[in-house]
Amino acid sequence: DAKTTQPPSMDCAEGRAANLPCNHSTISGNEYVYWYRQIHSQGPQYIIHGLKNNETNEMASLIITEDRKSSTLILPHATLRDTAVYYCIVRALNNAGNMLTFGGGTRLMVKP
Amino acid sequence: KAGVTQTPRYLIKTRGQQVTLSCSPISGHRSVSWYQQTPGQGLQFLFEYFSETQRNKGNFPGRFSGRQFSNSRSEMNVSTLELGDSALYLCASSPPALIQNIQYFGAGTRLSVL
Repeated sequence: DAKTTQPPSMDCAEGRAANLPCNHSTISGNEYVYWYRQIHSQGPQYIIHGLKNNETNEMASLIITEDRKSSTLILPHATLRDTAVYYCIVRALNNAGNMLTFGGGTRLMVKP
Repeated sequence: KAGVTQTPRYLIKTRGQQVTLSCSPISGHRSVSWYQQTPGQGLQFLFEYFSETQRNKGNFPGRFSGRQFSNSRSEMNVSTLELGDSALYLCASSPPALIQNIQYFGAGTRLSVL
């Protein structure tokens, strides 16, 4: 799995967009980008994933650069409940099963 | 639909004892994975079970073991507990589709070893 690099922490004002970057410069052509988050004292929660096209769901948007070496998770209108550690994970979609490698993540603090 | 259920939520053991943690996956999910989370090492993959067979294994000593039953429920066991085994143990299940790596996590079992 390709290595990912994320800033250790970020702040965001409530109601504003939170843009969380992830660098994955060694990503392979068959590797997807996954985002999970972990709110304090809870298990991680799947947010979104993508290969090369931008993706959007009810929780967030994922923007992947054309060269796929970096991506940004966007929470369009951050609320206090979005305060969490956000993990960017790169992994190929194959038959080897489910096995996520979590890095340090970004601790997002949404402030009123 | 009920989520992933882990029992117990909290556990206190002493060094040298053994412990068994339980995980009930989301109905219809056949893949169950276990992770250990500590402040120092973060979230680390322990093992994955699919259809009662261990499919993947992380880099943990043999004191850590698991199994899966025919109803997809899973247990993990840690023998000869050490202080360093104090951690949050998380279980995750995955749907039986081609979209792998999407995992649904339980709230975890917090194990304290004294």
